[in-house]
Amino acid sequence: DAGVIQSPRHEVTEMGQEVTLRCKPISGHNSLFWYRQTMMRGLELLIYFNNNVPIDDSGMPEDRFSAKMPNASFSTLKIQPSEPRDSAVYFCASSFGTSGGSGELFFGEGSRLTVL
Amino acid sequence: KQEVTQIPAALSVPEGENLVLNCSFTDSAIYNLQWFRQDPGKGLTSLLLIQSSQREQTSGRLNASLDKSSGRSTLYIAASQPGDSATYLCAVSAVGGATNKLIFGTGTLLAVQP
Repeated sequence: DAGVIQSPRHEVTEMGQEVTLRCKPISGHNSLFWYRQTMMRGLELLIYFNNNVPIDDSGMPEDRFSAKMPNASFSTLKIQPSEPRDSAVYFCASSFGTSGGSGELFFGEGSRLTVL
Repeated sequence: KQEVTQIPAALSVPEGENLVLNCSFTDSAIYNLQWFRQDPGKGLTSLLLIQSSQREQTSGRLNASLDKSSGRSTLYIAASQPGDSATYLCAVSAVGGATNKLIFGTGTLLAVQP
């Protein structure tokens, strides 16, 4: 398996522009997570999906952020409009979880976002 | 609210030395605990996963232990090598509610000097 695939790897954009980050989880995994990593705050969980359904989006910073998972093999994280404080590395991760809890988590390489 | 702390924040050791990284969590009601490695500019790589019913897991030169009652886990690295240099993060998975939600520590930056 190719692992969790994220695109783009790097994105530089100007304040106010829309940003869309993409993720393809590992085939067969039923849980997908979006994390944000910064030097100041470390790794923060933004949202996670189980069987394509958003379960917990309490970590989404504000209404400018939205995430979708239209099918088991694709998810997007959108920021509109983007702001300089959104600059961070955004990670997608997937796992196979049961009703009892999460399994081993596999991360993508991340999307480094810079908002000027 | 679950909080995960890792000590030390940074560690530098000479090659060949055995070392221990520490992770503590405030709520002992966890489902599992995972240790990850992160290389600069890369994603996280899972090293070891310990279920709440287990006390330790081993993989090669790595050994992770879990003491749920005291809210602690350690990652033991034997005979360290320069290639072990990376940031090591631990994360706990909650019991009940959002059991898939991992809470991460801030990591320990390890440098192994040749």
